[in-house]
Amino acid sequence: EAQVTQNPRYLITVTGKKLTVTCSQNMNHEYMSWYRQDPGLGLRQIYYSMNVEVTDKGDVPEGYKVSRKEKRNFPLILESPSPNQTSLYFCASSLQGKQYFGPGTRLTVT
Amino acid sequence: AQKITQTQPGMFVQEKEAVTLDCTYDTSDPSYGLFWYKQPSSGEMIFLIYQGSYDQQNATEGRYSLNFQKARKSANLVISASQLGDSAMYFCAMREGKVRSGAGSYQLTFGKGTKLSVIP
Repeated sequence: EAQVTQNPRYLITVTGKKLTVTCSQNMNHEYMSWYRQDPGLGLRQIYYSMNVEVTDKGDVPEGYKVSRKEKRNFPLILESPSPNQTSLYFCASSLQGKQYFGPGTRLTVT
Repeated sequence: AQKITQTQPGMFVQEKEAVTLDCTYDTSDPSYGLFWYKQPSSGEMIFLIYQGSYDQQNATEGRYSLNFQKARKSANLVISASQLGDSAMYFCAMREGKVRSGAGSYQLTFGKGTKLSVIP
């Protein structure tokens, strides 16, 4: 089954404790991206990757890092999480512009 | 200026009736794509329909159709014969055909969404 998976689905953590949210897709898509969704703001892109070892900033990259060492994986790294990064995070992969979303990761930073 | 505007924060529709969700967009790029996604209360994002800027006909997918008016820069979603399961948030999004690093960009810009409630 073609899908995008994210782990963990839910995470509560404390300020400053580094964390990684994993994202994996099995559709051999070149393009992958991360979004955050906040009430009243819709989805905003954090980072995206056009292919292996090619990443670029989206609209709200501050406080996040990404890497793309393999085509299927695109982890999101929060080196020092802060409460304003409490949000719902989506990973997506894309073929010809149509984006397939993962199930979401709900992150709470206290 | 916002690139995607959804002016209806919330809407109600009677079951079995049709409903139109509004979306206007702003771009100077001649090549772009417009998308609609559905987000039920469970949280996942579900792709509904796509319209390319050069497509001659309005896109349709089952009960979903996209009323694409290029001159007005609008891409309204029409849901026919509403069902209770259609109650959800609906997001309009745009991909602009910017070329970066020699490849097309697939960055999506989303509107803030419309919450649709279907009444029995």
